[in-house]
Amino acid sequence: QSPLTQPASVSGSSGQSITISCTGSSSDVGSYKFVSWYQQHPGKAPKLIIYEANKRPSGVSYRFSGSRSGNTASLTISGLQAEDEADYYCCSYAGSSTWVFGGGTKLTVL
Amino acid sequence: EVQLVESGGGLVQPGGSLRLSCAASGFSFSTSWMHWVRQAPGKGPVWVSRISSDGTITNYVDSVKGRLTISRDNTRNTLYLQLSSLRVEDTAVYYCIRPTNNAFVDWGQGTQVTVSS
Repeated sequence: QSPLTQPASVSGSSGQSITISCTGSSSDVGSYKFVSWYQQHPGKAPKLIIYEANKRPSGVSYRFSGSRSGNTASLTISGLQAEDEADYYCCSYAGSSTWVFGGGTKLTVL
Repeated sequence: EVQLVESGGGLVQPGGSLRLSCAASGFSFSTSWMHWVRQAPGKGPVWVSRISSDGTITNYVDSVKGRLTISRDNTRNTLYLQLSSLRVEDTAVYYCIRPTNNAFVDWGQGTQVTVSS
């Protein structure tokens, strides 16, 4: 049950697009479509922004999109806005009724 | 509106115990599987445990097996997490979560557990 691997930080200018990767293994990301992404602002609980790899919950901006290929999932944020500056975490079902999160990526909007 | 309100956290010495509670409202608690996730300071979340809607099925991350026990009282709409033989590395904010579509949709505000001598 090793954590999924994410880059520690990414940055982008307002209006640009960025992509955050989430690398797992054939035991988690590579085997299950149940990859989700969470946004967390300081002092707040994480908020679900993508589920089942590429689906957006109601109320989440269309600027957030997800994908999955092999053992890697990705989150893309287009049209970066100041309020997107936050920590982002991926999560995958890992089989045997367990789940595993990534270590997190800090997004800075320049 | 879904509400999940955790309580019971605090400062405890290594080897000690705590019982966390999560009061649920705004949804059908008795038909919902529930989870606990924890997050240490400056770290990513870690899935800890899950319980079935009727409480008969429980699952745990390997690192807490035998020390943490999840339970529920559907008559009180309350989820519990009993923490025993606590270690410094159990220090974290503990979140109660309602899942949907195999994702963690609704989170409480969390309760802080600090294990320190």
